[in-house]
Amino acid sequence: GQNIDQPTEMTATEGAIVQINCTYQTSGFNGLFWYQQHAGEAPTFLSYNVLDGLEEKGRFSSFLSRSKGYSYLLLKELQMKDSASYLCAVRDSNYQLIWGAGTKLIIKP
Amino acid sequence: GAVVSQHPSRVICKSGTSVKIECRSLDFQATTMFWYRQFPKQSLMLMATSNEGSKATYEQGVEKDKFLINHASLTLSTLTVTSAHPEDSSFYICSASKGEAGELFFGEGSRLTVL
Repeated sequence: GQNIDQPTEMTATEGAIVQINCTYQTSGFNGLFWYQQHAGEAPTFLSYNVLDGLEEKGRFSSFLSRSKGYSYLLLKELQMKDSASYLCAVRDSNYQLIWGAGTKLIIKP
Repeated sequence: GAVVSQHPSRVICKSGTSVKIECRSLDFQATTMFWYRQFPKQSLMLMATSNEGSKATYEQGVEKDKFLINHASLTLSTLTVTSAHPEDSSFYICSASKGEAGELFFGEGSRLTVL
């Protein structure tokens, strides 16, 4: 079966750095996405990786290793507004998006 | 980015009634839109893929006669929950893909409460 694993919940301190990991086992691979979802709201797109390596976008960076079936989302200079759930999603060989359950990130002052 | 608008954002209805949710792509044409359902503290569950001008493709376990999807134009898809029951209470979200990566842009979501 297809599976995406990410931690259920993480806690970090304002101003610090946090890394949210995502491992996947899917039938084929056509890209990995990270989305941010605040409570009660719809997800918003953060990043896309299709090749190995690091993609940096401001305070957020996303890394991919296809051989390891692994990605992480790195958030720097954490702000209180970064408290949200972070969803990892992989597009498989049929171009279907497989969603992780999301990681709830709690930022403490 | 792209803008997807969803309406209504919240709806409360009595059991047995039908509810229609609209999803519009405001600044691009979307031949394909996706409808998701999300229960509290759970991830998104794809319900169906809405194709402009043709029948929607439903995921396994989703009742097509209960969740009617119509994609009449390139900018509008509607989801109608027919004869709603309390167990249909959920957060329904639509999305459309755009851009080179085909990333999804989501509507604001519609929270349905069936009494």
